[in-house]
Amino acid sequence: SQQGEEDPQALSIQEGENATMNCSYKTSINNLQWYRQNSGRGLVHLILIRSNEREKHSGRLRVTLDTSKKSSSLLITASRAADTASYFCATDAMGGGNKLTFGTGTQLKVEL
Amino acid sequence: NAGVTQTPKFQVLKTGQSMTLQCAQDMNHNSMYWYRQDPGMGLRLIYYSASEGTTDKGEVPNGYNVSRLNKREFSLRLESAAPSQTSVYFCASTSSGRGNEQFFGPGTRLTVL
Repeated sequence: SQQGEEDPQALSIQEGENATMNCSYKTSINNLQWYRQNSGRGLVHLILIRSNEREKHSGRLRVTLDTSKKSSSLLITASRAADTASYFCATDAMGGGNKLTFGTGTQLKVEL
Repeated sequence: NAGVTQTPKFQVLKTGQSMTLQCAQDMNHNSMYWYRQDPGMGLRLIYYSASEGTTDKGEVPNGYNVSRLNKREFSLRLESAAPSQTSVYFCASTSSGRGNEQFFGPGTRLTVL
């Protein structure tokens, strides 16, 4: 079963706007990661946030984690057409072994 | 460094045929993984290998077998392909320890007729 569920499933914005994607999960985690997938390609790691962290930044990316609500959000600021891709959250569950469980993804389209 | 490589890139099989998907990584990673991705879904773990010499089932192992040939290579075998195995298959690897990011190959697009 999918550990993470992303919301929204699809998002369309104009270049320069901010994009926010949300992820909810079910069990306790060690960390949560966000990945990006361009059409027809493999996934690329974007950012990792540990269970004892609440917020993390990397360039134009901002990730928050609320373990009490079992949810995370990914914010992409000042979006560009090149940000058009699918974004997936992945959780490293406590006691789950060295493996990740991926959500269903958010398809982001950034229009010029 | 090539990272994670997968062969073939595309494959069409008939129901009942067998094939092996190859994966290799040159990053000296201990753990390797096979996922499948179906339209509108995230990645689902088929099998993984936490270290050389070990393999474990993931979420959807039925119809598949794996071999961790050495530290670099992790293959996925379909013994008798079925249309339900039509999917895009991704191999990934990570260094040992919890929480490390996974590095993905470019994928194999498999169609079973």
